[in-house]
This record gives sequence, C-alpha cells and structure tokens, in this order.
Amino acid sequence: DTEVTQTPKHLVMGMTNKKSLKCEQHMGHRAMYWYKQKAKKPPELMFVYSYEKLSINESVPSRFSPECPNSSLLNLHLHALQPEDSALYLCASSQGGAWRYGYTFGSGTRLTVV
Amino acid sequence: AQTVTQSQPEMSVQEAETVTLSCTYDTSESDYYLFWYKQPPSRQMILVIRQEAYKQQNATENRFSVNFQKAAKSFSLKISDSQLGDAAMYFCACYLRDDKIIFGKGTRLHILP
Repeated sequence: DTEVTQTPKHLVMGMTNKKSLKCEQHMGHRAMYWYKQKAKKPPELMFVYSYEKLSINESVPSRFSPECPNSSLLNLHLHALQPEDSALYLCASSQGGAWRYGYTFGSGTRLTVV
Repeated sequence: AQTVTQSQPEMSVQEAETVTLSCTYDTSESDYYLFWYKQPPSRQMILVIRQEAYKQQNATENRFSVNFQKAAKSFSLKISDSQLGDAAMYFCACYLRDDKIIFGKGTRLHILP
C-alpha cells in the first residue's frame, strides 16, 4: 500500500459544527503532516507529528485540534471554524527524514465553512 | 530569509513538445534537497523528481529532468514529449534538515492538443 487516504473528500460545515478529518497510511511512515491549501496557492504547513508526538505547530488557531491515535492514523478535529478556514486540507506522510525523501500526499479534503 | 521563486505563473506547451519550468531558491543552509511536485485537478500532490544538493549530476525520471545549477541557485524542470496528462500545477520545493519546507507559488502548465 503506497497511499495516503483522506476522508471525507468534501465537507460542508456550519460555523457552530464540530467535525473531524481523517488521514490514514500503511507505509510504515513515522512522520505525518497537515497542510492547508487555498486556491492557486502553495500548501501551508499546519502540524507535524513525528513518532506519534506533535513536533511542530505552526501557530494554528485552537479551533483546529490535531490528534495522532497511532502510527497509521492522523485526525484533525474542527470546531467553531470561520468562513476563511474554507480550503483544501492535505495530509502527507514521510519516511524518517522528509527532507531526503519528500512527502506522499493524500488527495485532500475540500472544506467549505458556511 | 529562505525563499523559492517560480517566476512563471502560467505556461502553455504543444502536446509532444518540450517545456522548461523555472525555479530559483535562496537558502543559507549547506544541506538541502530540492523537489518538484505536480498537482493535477484531482488535487493530489505527486512527487515528480528529487535532487540532492550535494550531487552535481542532474536527476532524471523518464520524461522529466532537472537542470540544477547550484552556484546560481537554479533548479528548472524540463518535461519532454509533453502529454495531456502533464497538465497540472507544478510546485518547486526546497527541503531543509529541520523538516522546514519552502514551496514556490507554483506554475500552472497547460498542454495544447
């Protein structure tokens, strides 16, 4: 299995809703990442998990809450989002040392906040 | 500041022709890797090619090759025999040792049939 699987593919949520994005990989990668991508822009790093521990949080608002229950699974819990949070959310994973091998990305979740 | 610059927001190429996408970068680090990613309308970012900064030999992957000029901090992507499936947004990225990744703003490539 050489894929990163993200669910759901599309999500529409109200500003008072609570929802979660899910990311799964079975490649044995020990680093996993959440990125946010606005239209026609490059991805922006949100969080990095290394060996199931949060290693980087790029000053993301607390309405985004990441969770890494095990080495294969990464969640992003969403609560009280704003319309400006509408974006494509990409999950990625890497072998140890992403700087050598790059990332394997999922297909993303297209989030719309109404 | 560390930056990656893609000076061509959009490009077009005739099918079967060759096209070169430019990328320049600036980093004070001595160890880094350079990547090109492709993002088609399906949204998934796909790693196209990777270059180790300490290697002088240019990387090649089938129809994709790079021209890496370390002194000039230039890392261009050449696509030979362009195919309709090559139409996508292409991002150049510089990876540093501390897991810091700098992406360029992207170049949208159109393939004309």
